[in-house]
Amino acid sequence: DTGVSQNPRHKITKRGQNVTFRCDPISEHNRLYWYRQTLGQGPEFLTYFQNEAQLEKSRLLSDRFSAERPKGSFSTLEIQRTEQGDSAMYLCASSSTRGGGFSTEAFFGQGTRLTVV
Amino acid sequence: AQSVTQLGSHVSVSEGALVLLRCNYSSSVPPYLFWYVQYPNQGLQLLLKYTSAATLVKGINGFEAEFKKSETSFHLTKPSAHMSDAAEYFCAANTGFQKLVFGTGTRLLVSP
Repeated sequence: DTGVSQNPRHKITKRGQNVTFRCDPISEHNRLYWYRQTLGQGPEFLTYFQNEAQLEKSRLLSDRFSAERPKGSFSTLEIQRTEQGDSAMYLCASSSTRGGGFSTEAFFGQGTRLTVV
Repeated sequence: AQSVTQLGSHVSVSEGALVLLRCNYSSSVPPYLFWYVQYPNQGLQLLLKYTSAATLVKGINGFEAEFKKSETSFHLTKPSAHMSDAAEYFCAANTGFQKLVFGTGTRLLVSP
């Protein structure tokens, strides 16, 4: 296992187009998180899944954003009708609840950098 | 709500000098605390974590951090900076609500 994998690494899209990103977590991890990071800021939580259930969504996640994790393995994040303000790095992370949960660290992927032109 | 404050958006040190990156948290309940490092166009890599087992936490690459409840701080230190330490460092807290709250980050610059 080589860690959390995100595809694509970079995406340039025109305003108004839809984009979809994929995240493959570490195989034995049951929790998966999406974060958004804009320039000069720390990552901000968007949403998280435990297995296939989406348990929490940030108010940052407008109705143009949707995330799925259909079989409790990989996840997709779709942004519809992209806006220039959506330009950011989208980070995926995964963790395991084994051994307690709250103190176990999240492992991050390398991110997908989205540029909306 | 839990928040994390990192003082200093940029810290500059000379190679071989002490590194001190500051982090303060706000919470009535001591959270689980983490330091992550991010290299350009990369994801975040965990340096160390505090989980209440010990107040002085040792991490990778010679970094360590001390949890001080009275000061609500979790500052990151390294005795001797190396050029390869130049990166962005993020302090984060998990209060048990299943997500991390990050500070705004501190960029460490290391000069020869």
